[in-house]
Amino acid sequence: DAKTTQPPSMDCAEGRAANLPCNHSTISGNEYVYWYRQIHSQGPQYIIHGLKNNETNEMASLIITEDRKSSTLILPHATLRDTAVYYCIVRVPLGAGNMLTFGGGTRLMVKP
Amino acid sequence: GAGVSQSPSNKVTEKGKDVELRCDPISGHTALYWYRQSLGQGLEFLIYFQGNSAPDKSGLPSDRFSAERTGGSVSTLTIQRTQQEDSAVYLCASSLEAGRERGYTFGSGTRLTVV
Repeated sequence: DAKTTQPPSMDCAEGRAANLPCNHSTISGNEYVYWYRQIHSQGPQYIIHGLKNNETNEMASLIITEDRKSSTLILPHATLRDTAVYYCIVRVPLGAGNMLTFGGGTRLMVKP
Repeated sequence: GAGVSQSPSNKVTEKGKDVELRCDPISGHTALYWYRQSLGQGLEFLIYFQGNSAPDKSGLPSDRFSAERTGGSVSTLTIQRTQQEDSAVYLCASSLEAGRERGYTFGSGTRLTVV
């Protein structure tokens, strides 16, 4: 699985958009970009994933650059409950083990 | 159940004792994973079960760690002769089948403290 690089921490004002970047310059053509988050004392929660097109769901939007070497997770109107560690993962959906390889993630602090 | 259930939620044990951690996956999910997360760290893969296939044990840190999955459902992670470095949150996840992009659902974990 390709390695990802994320800033260790970010702050965001409540009600504003939170833009979380992720670099994955060694991503392979068949690897997807996944985002999970982990709220304190809970297990990781799936947010969104994509291959090369931008994606949007009820939780967030995912913007993937044309060369696929980086992406941005956007929480359009951050709330205090969005305070969590956000993990960017790149991997093939099918493969031996299919385990997720989590890096350090970005600790997002949403402030009132 | 509606989600992945893990028990106990907290476990304090003395060094050298054995512990068993339980995971009840979502009904019908054929893939089951164990991870552990040390304080302030990311998730470390331990073991993976898929249906009736032999499990992928490549992440188990030592032979003191073992896991089984009975009847393709409930899984038990056993740590023998616990050490202080085993202290961590042990997370279980399940999915409909290996590789389904959205299928991973994590439990809330078991916080193991070895004293």
